[in-house]
Amino acid sequence: DIQMTQSPSSLSASVGDRVTITCRASQSINTYLNWYQQKPGKAPKLLIYATLSLQSGVPSRFSGRGSGTDFTLTINSLQSEDFATYYCQQSFSTPLTFGGGTKVEIK
Amino acid sequence: EVQLLESGGGLVQPGGSLRLSCAASGFTFNYYAMTWVRQAPGKGLEWVSIVSGNGGDTYYGDSVKGRFTISRDNPKSTVYLQMNSLRAGDTAIYYCAKVLGHCTSTSCSGYFDYWGQGTLVTVSS
Repeated sequence: DIQMTQSPSSLSASVGDRVTITCRASQSINTYLNWYQQKPGKAPKLLIYATLSLQSGVPSRFSGRGSGTDFTLTINSLQSEDFATYYCQQSFSTPLTFGGGTKVEIK
Repeated sequence: EVQLLESGGGLVQPGGSLRLSCAASGFTFNYYAMTWVRQAPGKGLEWVSIVSGNGGDTYYGDSVKGRFTISRDNPKSTVYLQMNSLRAGDTAIYYCAKVLGHCTSTSCSGYFDYWGQGTLVTVSS
């Protein structure tokens, strides 16, 4: 099974900050990497698929990059509505696996 | 508008069974694989199972293999999760999601573009 490791597990940031979250796969997954945002009490929401493609309706301040085993999600100019938990997910092979999550909190 | 509505959650004793349903609308149901993802209280997301568009291919996470069965009824636009031999560790919110991806005879993968609001399963005596 492919293990997905996210870092950090949590971070504190201010509105306007640039935030970067890292996701590492235990083996190469090409660019089969997706990112989700989850707010408390809500279902996850797809942000980015295939490493860098923005889901429809997602603001352009979100961006993704990477390939192989190392990936990043960057939020430029953090907004108040971006405080949430973010998960990566590999879609290279079953079993499909998620990272442990990164909680972005208000500083 | 795509909508996914889960039902069937509740309180069940260890060793018991439960069947979850997810009614879909707003898209051509049989064109897409469907998946179940769960989230234990205060924990992260865990993928549970996936079924191909025609229902012929199914795959499971290691923690539920042999106990859970995913199926679908395309005329009813509904996907199911039959959960047997339930354990305390199965306590979670269960989400169904629509999958954008592909399935073969050996794998079924993709990403999840629409999610339901979830149904809570509590396994406790």
